[in-house]
Amino acid sequence: DGGITQSPKYLFRKEGQNVTLSCEQNLNHDAMYWYRQDPGQGLRLIYYSQIVNDFQKGDIAEGYSVSREKKESFPLTVTSAQKNPTAFYLCASSTERDRGSVDGYTFGSGTRLTVV
Amino acid sequence: AQSVSQHNHHVILSEAASLELGCNYSYGGTVNLFWYVQYPGQHLQLLLKYFSGDPLVKGIKGFEAEFIKSKFSFNLRKPSVQWSDTAEYFCAVKSYNTDKLIFGTGTRLQVFP
Repeated sequence: DGGITQSPKYLFRKEGQNVTLSCEQNLNHDAMYWYRQDPGQGLRLIYYSQIVNDFQKGDIAEGYSVSREKKESFPLTVTSAQKNPTAFYLCASSTERDRGSVDGYTFGSGTRLTVV
Repeated sequence: AQSVSQHNHHVILSEAASLELGCNYSYGGTVNLFWYVQYPGQHLQLLLKYFSGDPLVKGIKGFEAEFIKSKFSFNLRKPSVQWSDTAEYFCAVKSYNTDKLIFGTGTRLQVFP
């Protein structure tokens, strides 16, 4: 079955440590996205990538970094510069048939990061 | 900048009641509109989407939404809710000339038997 795999499901880290969240998709989607979900704030876009070796900042990119070396993979690193890293992180992917439409996004099951 | 507003943060209904969740967006150009649902402990799922054509869109599980361009709105409706509709609902907007999907803050729906 095609889909998006995020790992791990739960992650605990000490304050000041960098941590990398994995996101892999086998849908052959060109675009991939990272969102952060906090209670009462919905989903906020961190970074997105439309093609391999290219990515753009979203609305809350500070303290995060990404890479897109392969089409299937879009890992997110939460650095020690992120002031409030404890959150639920969602990865998504999409395909666009043309500029004006998108066939919806497919979401992973998320990673809950807790920094202690 | 684009933004999406969901005015109802928490809605509590009894089974069989009718539901309408508000969604307004700020972008003035051509948009694609979505409603997603997140059931407790599950990942986000697409309920319905609007690209063009008939402004009344039917989705899964009896949900529908109406795009009213003049009001910049895309409200979600269901004539008769069930206990299993308890979930968080997110409205999302993508403008024609960007690749970003912008979400509202979500509405938590609780349905009691």
